[in-house]
Formats: sequence, C-alpha cells, structure tokens
Amino acid sequence: GDSVTQMEGPVTLSEEAFLTINCTYTATGYPSLFWYVQYPGEGLQLLLKATKADDKGSNKGFEATYRKETTSFHLEKGSVQVSDSAVYFCALENNAGNMLTFGGGTRLMVKP
Amino acid sequence: KAGVTQTPRYLIKTRGQQVTLSCSPISGHRSVSWYQQTPGQGLQFLFEYFSETQRNKGNFPGRFSGRQFSNSRSEMNVSTLELGDSALYLCASNLSGGEIDPGGPLNTEAFFGQGTRLTVV
Repeated sequence: GDSVTQMEGPVTLSEEAFLTINCTYTATGYPSLFWYVQYPGEGLQLLLKATKADDKGSNKGFEATYRKETTSFHLEKGSVQVSDSAVYFCALENNAGNMLTFGGGTRLMVKP
Repeated sequence: KAGVTQTPRYLIKTRGQQVTLSCSPISGHRSVSWYQQTPGQGLQFLFEYFSETQRNKGNFPGRFSGRQFSNSRSEMNVSTLELGDSALYLCASNLSGGEIDPGGPLNTEAFFGQGTRLTVV
C-alpha cells in the first residue's frame, strides 16, 4: 500500500535559520502530495500542495518540489520564525476518495 | 465562511461505553473524512463519506462506524470503548468527491476541524 516517511523530530532551530524537513513516499501511479501544519491544540491546516511531477508548491515562505525520480517532497524555508513552531505532516492522496496517507509528523521548534 | 465544526471538543468516557462524535463540514462540501490521531500510530484514516455513502474505509475494527446525513453533516460512533481508543479524532471536508478529471489533477483539498479529544478511562 501507499506510505509516507518523514524525518523524525524534534527539529530545533534558531530564528532565521534554514529549514529542511525530508519526506519520501511509496505509491503506485501519480499521487498528489501535501504538507499540512498543526499548531498546538488545533486541527491540520494545508500548507502547500503539488499535484504532478516537478510541480513546486509554495506558501508563506515554505516550498516543496514534487520529485518523482526520487519519490520525494521535501519541505524547505529559507528563514524560520518562532511562529513557525508546529508539527508538520507530509501526506499523499492516490485515489478519488479523498483519503490521505500521512507521514508520522515532524515537530519543529524555533528559538528566538 | 464558517470552517469545519466538530463537537464536542473534549470528551471523557469509561471503558465499555459508546460515543458519538459530530462533524459539520464547510457549507457546500459534500465529502467528509474521519481520522484518528494518536502519539503511537500518528494520523490514520478511518472512513470517508460522500453523498451519504461510505466510499472508503480504513483498517479499523467494526466498533468504529459512521454515517452522513442529507445536509452532509457526519457522525462517527465508537462502541464498546477501549483504553486504546483515546485519541484526537479529526474530521475533514472536501468540496468535491475527489473525482478524477481526465487529463487533470485530483480535485481535492481537505479542510480540517479542530478535532474532538476523546479520553477513555
């Protein structure tokens, strides 16, 4: 079946540092790929998405590129802020039934 | 417009009891999905409803069930609660049914509610 693997956290960075959270997937066909963010006590919010190979999703300074050759969708941000502290989930969808497969989540802690 | 609303936000139940959680999707959205989030297992898909029909089901026992009403609101029920059912239950709504547009991408974006925190004691 489909699966998503992302780097374990927590990832601790100083403000303005560069962020990379690795995500790789296993799936048949051509899934859509997503990054979701979860702030404490909240549900998930869609951060960005890409629906086909070589697409780049971007939002709020975050970027991720759909790399089919390496089955990866790594999340990057050039300069993190304290407000970016949250748990980040990589996910894929591979059928027509709105069913998401999530990675285990990566907690990001940004210190001032 | 209003987001996805889940009620109640918090719930404490005793082993062996049953519980019903409610989800009101964004107005106009016809698809509702449910997920269980635990520290050990992460986020796992429970089931998805579209136009009152269950279209997909995850790998959970039959104690977990759901339904969707004609106004797209959905409920999930867990019977004979176990300690391991303690979790955050998240509901997500989608505008479309996720139909594949020939030649185009999957048309789907899930909007999540804040979740219901269920504690089984």
